[in-house]
Amino acid sequence: AQSVTQPDIHITVSEGASLELRCNYSYGATPYLFWYVQSPGQGLQLLLKYFSGDTLVQGIKGFEAEFKRSQSSFNLRKPSVHWSDAAEYFCAVADFGNEKLTFGTGTRLTIIP
Amino acid sequence: DVKVTQSSRYLVKRTGEKVFLECVQDMDHENMFWYRQDPGLGLRLIYFSYDVKMKEKGDIPEGYSVSREKKERFSLILESASTNQTSMYLCASSLGTSGRVDTQYFGPGTRLTVL
Repeated sequence: AQSVTQPDIHITVSEGASLELRCNYSYGATPYLFWYVQSPGQGLQLLLKYFSGDTLVQGIKGFEAEFKRSQSSFNLRKPSVHWSDAAEYFCAVADFGNEKLTFGTGTRLTIIP
Repeated sequence: DVKVTQSSRYLVKRTGEKVFLECVQDMDHENMFWYRQDPGLGLRLIYFSYDVKMKEKGDIPEGYSVSREKKERFSLILESASTNQTSMYLCASSLGTSGRVDTQYFGPGTRLTVL
């Protein structure tokens, strides 16, 4: 069965600092990978997705993620965080057959001035 | 823009009550999904539907049922609410293109408290 691991429950970074959120997946075939963000009290918004092709994927709000098959990872990065990036971030893998998404447990990001 | 709406942002019910959570999407999407979100557990799939009147169980269907009588509407039903169903419930929809994995778009969520 597919699974997603986000090893960091909570990360705190200073505004303007770089960010990397980790995601490891387990899936038997070519993975379809997503990063979503959830601001407080809101639903999930898609940041970016990887289906195939270039392993470095650009998303909205200045985020990018790199797919590394050898490490089964899909880490999310941003070169300089803004206070508005404080939110919870979820990595997910899709089952190609029925689009079922399996989510990680999420990483909560806190930004300090 | 895709819009997924959920009937209530906050809901408080009593144990044993029958509870209906409604979800509507306005983009003619084929697929619709219900998840519950709990701290430390992420989102878990309860049920999904890939066509009108069609449904499939997700990972945690026990205690829930669903109804999809119209393409744009997908309802989650708690037949007899229990305190362990206190949670955030998120609805999502996707285009449902055959042979592809489409992006899921989420509603704002319903925070249900069962007393």
